[in-house]
Amino acid sequence: DTEVTQTPKHLVMGMTNKKSLKCEQHMGHRAMYWYKQKAKKPPELMFVYSYEKLSINESVPSRFSPECPNSSLLNLHLHALQPEDSALYLCASSQVAGGLYEQYFGPGTRLTVT
Amino acid sequence: GESVGLHLPTLSVQEGDNSIINCAYSNSASDYFIWYKQESGKGPQFIIDIRSNMDKRQGQRVTVLLNKTVKHLSLQIAATQPGDSAVYFCAGLDSNYQLIWGAGTKLIIKP
Repeated sequence: DTEVTQTPKHLVMGMTNKKSLKCEQHMGHRAMYWYKQKAKKPPELMFVYSYEKLSINESVPSRFSPECPNSSLLNLHLHALQPEDSALYLCASSQVAGGLYEQYFGPGTRLTVT
Repeated sequence: GESVGLHLPTLSVQEGDNSIINCAYSNSASDYFIWYKQESGKGPQFIIDIRSNMDKRQGQRVTVLLNKTVKHLSLQIAATQPGDSAVYFCAGLDSNYQLIWGAGTKLIIKP
C-alpha cells in the first residue's frame, strides 16, 4: 500500500472557525510533511515531522498548528485563518526525513477561507 | 542561494511525439534532482531522479539528462500519451536536504 490519504477533500471555513486536516499513511514511513500549494505554483514546505517529532517549521504562522499523534497520522489544526490561506494543502510521507528519500503525496485538501 | 527553475510555463505537444521539459539550477543547488508529475486534482508523483555523478538516467518512457557544465537538466518523455498531461516539476535539495521546487511546466497533449 503506497497510499497517503487526506481528509477532507474540500473544506470551507470562516475566519473565526477552528478546523483540522488529517493525513494517514500505512507504509511504515517515519517522516511526514505538510505543504501548501497555491494555484499554478509549486508546493511550499510548511512542516516536517521525523519520528513523530517536529524537525522543521518553515516560519509558518501560529494559526497553523501541526500534530503527529503517532507514526501513521499527521494533523494540521487551523484557527483564525485569513483568506490568503486558501490553497491546496498536501501531506506527504517518506521512509525517513529528507529529499533524498522519495516522498509520497496525498491528493490534498482544498481549503477555502471566507 | 539555491534555486531551481523551469524554462517554460506551458508546453504543447502532439500525441505520439517526444516531449522535452527543461530546468535550470543555481550554483549552490543540490547535487541531486527529482522530477515530479502532478495531474489535475492529485498530489505530485515521483517520476525519476538523478545524482550529479550521472549524466543520464532512464526509466519507462522517460529520460532525465543532467548537464553540470551549464547547470541544466531536462526530462524527456517518449511517445507522449494523453495520460502524460500534467504539470511537471523539477526539484533539487536545499541546505536542509529538503526539496526546493521549480515553478512547473504544464504539458498539454494535442490529439
